[in-house]
Amino acid sequence: AQKVTQAQTEISVVEKEDVTLDCVYETRDTTYYLFWYKQPPSGELVFLIRRNSFDEQNEISGRYSWNFQKSTSSFNFTITASQVVDSAVYFCALDTSGTYKYIFGTGTRLKVLA
Amino acid sequence: DTAVSQTPKYLVTQMGNDKSIKCEQNLGHDTMYWYKQDSKKFLKIMFSYNNKELIINETVPNRFSPKSPDKAHLNLHINSLELGDSAVYFCASSLFVEGSKDTQYFGPGTRLTVL
Repeated sequence: AQKVTQAQTEISVVEKEDVTLDCVYETRDTTYYLFWYKQPPSGELVFLIRRNSFDEQNEISGRYSWNFQKSTSSFNFTITASQVVDSAVYFCALDTSGTYKYIFGTGTRLKVLA
Repeated sequence: DTAVSQTPKYLVTQMGNDKSIKCEQNLGHDTMYWYKQDSKKFLKIMFSYNNKELIINETVPNRFSPKSPDKAHLNLHINSLELGDSAVYFCASSLFVEGSKDTQYFGPGTRLTVL
């Protein structure tokens, strides 16, 4: 079975704090892709990052960083020095080879307070 | 220069009516999707089309009928609307790459409210 778990339903932080959003996935496939999307209050889904199962290098993009660990089936997302504009629902998604669909986690609502 | 567009953005209608949502992408992609996001924000695939052919129909009631007139368009027609159909519907597109997976890019969503 393929599954994505985002155990944190909602997180509140104060501006400038660092925050990590957890994502744990399940798949028996050896080739798969993991994604993070941001859904701000305006409702659109904004692509953040794509990672394939053969690339375990961590990635940093500005204040965003991602930690992919196959050993724990996790693909966590950290926002450094959070800002109010980071307030959104963040989704982790899994796409396995041979399928034409994403399996989404249930999302984590991040609230950054000024 | 919108990549994936959907019309309308909001749709309010009565139970029992028939309605359509249109989706267009100008990214040159060959695969398009419909997802449903319920009131709890849960996102679930409904349909996938590759080169105008239906690839995935994820146990969606047959009141929902997607139609892909060409690779750039995937419309969703819903018959006999029910209260439970109220949700946000997202269209997405990607490019099929042999041995790999391209990123799916999403439209802005259509909020359907059935009264």
